[in-house]
Amino acid sequence: DAKTTQPPSMDCAEGRAANLPCNHSTISGNEYVYWYRQIHSQGPQYIIHGLKNNETNEMASLIITEDRKSSTLILPHATLRDTAVYYCIVRATNTGNQFYFGTGTSLTVIP
Amino acid sequence: SQTIHQWPATLVQPVGSPLSLECTVEGTSNPNLYWYRQAAGRGLQLLFYSVGIGQISSEVPQNLSASRPQDRQFILSSKKLLLSDSGFYLCAWMGPLTGELFFGEGSRLTVL
Repeated sequence: DAKTTQPPSMDCAEGRAANLPCNHSTISGNEYVYWYRQIHSQGPQYIIHGLKNNETNEMASLIITEDRKSSTLILPHATLRDTAVYYCIVRATNTGNQFYFGTGTSLTVIP
Repeated sequence: SQTIHQWPATLVQPVGSPLSLECTVEGTSNPNLYWYRQAAGRGLQLLFYSVGIGQISSEVPQNLSASRPQDRQFILSSKKLLLSDSGFYLCAWMGPLTGELFFGEGSRLTVL
């Protein structure tokens, strides 16, 4: 079962930063936070992951709170192509390698 | 580089008919493989995963089964489809370095 809670939907103006929250209050010390996104009728695409430090790559930034009970995915300059469902997943590396996806946040970037 | 392929891309089947969806991975060896299903308007549900040839773990009891006859081949099957089996089926493999999942193009199944 998914161990994360995300808002079902969000809007963001094109060119502005999109901040997608995720709650994972029962996260364990060895569990990483992963973010994926799924554009309609395609397979999910990996975005970023982290353990406790903030992470940044060419797609996004991941901010994890100090207590690790929540995180925020930041798309710094949202474009129309960022419209997708965004999934936040917690996963430990020693639990048989399962990824459990919740229902995610449907982000709509508005022109 | 690694690639993953699924087929068929689209399938329309009558209730009670059999099913076989195939997934193959190229460019890697002994990958962890996964089958997910996404019903219309829903999130992804993990159905099966496999850590090696002949090793299958089932997450949800149902009329589906999975097999891994070769290292880079993962097959999803059913003997008799139900209406509730309709959905978007996704195969994935796990990258060894970062543990991220790489998904195939998906197979859309409609059971009538």
